[in-house]
Amino acid sequence: GAVVSQHPSRVICKSGTSVKIECRSLDFQATTMFWYRQFPKQSLMLMATSNEGSKATYEQGVEKDKFLINHASLTLSTLTVTSAHPEDSSFYICSATKDGDNEQFFGPGTRLTVL
Amino acid sequence: LAKTTQPISMDSYEGQEVNITCSHNNIATNDYITWYQQFPSQGPRFIIQGYKTKVTNEVASLFIPADRKSSTLSLPRVSLSDTAVYYCLVGDYNTDKLIFGTGTRLQVFP
Repeated sequence: GAVVSQHPSRVICKSGTSVKIECRSLDFQATTMFWYRQFPKQSLMLMATSNEGSKATYEQGVEKDKFLINHASLTLSTLTVTSAHPEDSSFYICSATKDGDNEQFFGPGTRLTVL
Repeated sequence: LAKTTQPISMDSYEGQEVNITCSHNNIATNDYITWYQQFPSQGPRFIIQGYKTKVTNEVASLFIPADRKSSTLSLPRVSLSDTAVYYCLVGDYNTDKLIFGTGTRLQVFP
């Protein structure tokens, strides 16, 4: 159990467009979901924490109006990169925790390339 | 959150035991030590977690000295498929936030 999926796995878009990435917990209800960004050869950087039904908490330096996070249900969180630019090209990874368990289960990641 | 320091990279050969040490001098009383493994273009995968002394599971062992200022992940008899980046994280079990450090890039050679 504890499988997290992301969709799409890879996306290429033009500069100025918006891209939505979905994160789903397939076999459990996720009380909290996290979004990370990882540039090549670098570590994961936490972008935001989201709880179902409430606003996401963004880390310092992460623009909340650019990276819109919606956690509408206990199994789905979405990250929308608005008006994407080439510098937003990165590997975006989500994770989720179960109620009463702080272990984070990570999704497979989404590679975003902005042309 | 306690900062962690790990070697940037390590090389090994198949069949050898690999020990990756992580320093966390400012570890707090409530902090646990967790190790993750990440393959290229994949999300991190939980390996092992501990609070003190020694923890062992089917894939690794985690050694934590009494002062808890460091920890060592031990991978017995590595294979080529263990080539990955290994992250040591330290955090309060009651707070969900994980802060990833630089990680250790392990390269296993045949």
